[in-house]
Amino acid sequence: KNQVEQSPQSLIILEGKNCTLQCNYTVSPFSNLRWYKQDTGRGPVSLTIMTFSENTKSNGRYTATLDADTKQSSLHITASQLSDSASYICVVSALGAGKSTFGDGTTLTVKP
Amino acid sequence: DAGITQSPRHKVTETGTPVTLRCHQTENHRYMYWYRQDPGHGLRLIHYSYGVKDTDKGEVSDGYSVSRSKTEDFLLTLESATSSQTSVYFCAISEGANTEAFFGQGTRLTVV
Repeated sequence: KNQVEQSPQSLIILEGKNCTLQCNYTVSPFSNLRWYKQDTGRGPVSLTIMTFSENTKSNGRYTATLDADTKQSSLHITASQLSDSASYICVVSALGAGKSTFGDGTTLTVKP
Repeated sequence: DAGITQSPRHKVTETGTPVTLRCHQTENHRYMYWYRQDPGHGLRLIHYSYGVKDTDKGEVSDGYSVSRSKTEDFLLTLESATSSQTSVYFCAISEGANTEAFFGQGTRLTVV
């Protein structure tokens, strides 16, 4: 069964600090991995998408890494801001599948 | 929000009544999805469509039906609403099966 597990479930950090969120998956055969940010009361918004051949992708202060061998991804947030407070969702797709597997998300709270 | 509109945004309905939620897109994307999101759970796929009149079930499809009579509209119907269907419903669109998805603002449905 395809699964995506995210850790930690929740995280609190101080403004200006860095943090790293983890995503482990068992989806096979692998197609791509996406990270989304979901602000409270809004729909998710795409941050990055990575295919098998990509191991790092950045979007501003967000940097995603992918290790397809160990089936792990991380999302690193640099110099956090209050606006980074949100849920971060990891989504993994299998080749030939019409639907993707979603993680339960990590809730990040950035405090002043 | 990438030309995707959900209606209504909020709805309160009584148990046993039929309810239809609408998702409208202006992006001409082939794929459309309906998800529900509940506290303690990630986004769970209800149904998706890969073209006009082409739909398939997701992981939580019981009690829901969908229709897609034209590219731009994807309707989700609760035949007889139950309290367990109280949730926030998100529509999403994508060009391909596992490409970047764009989400709507969500519909908060309360069944009393």
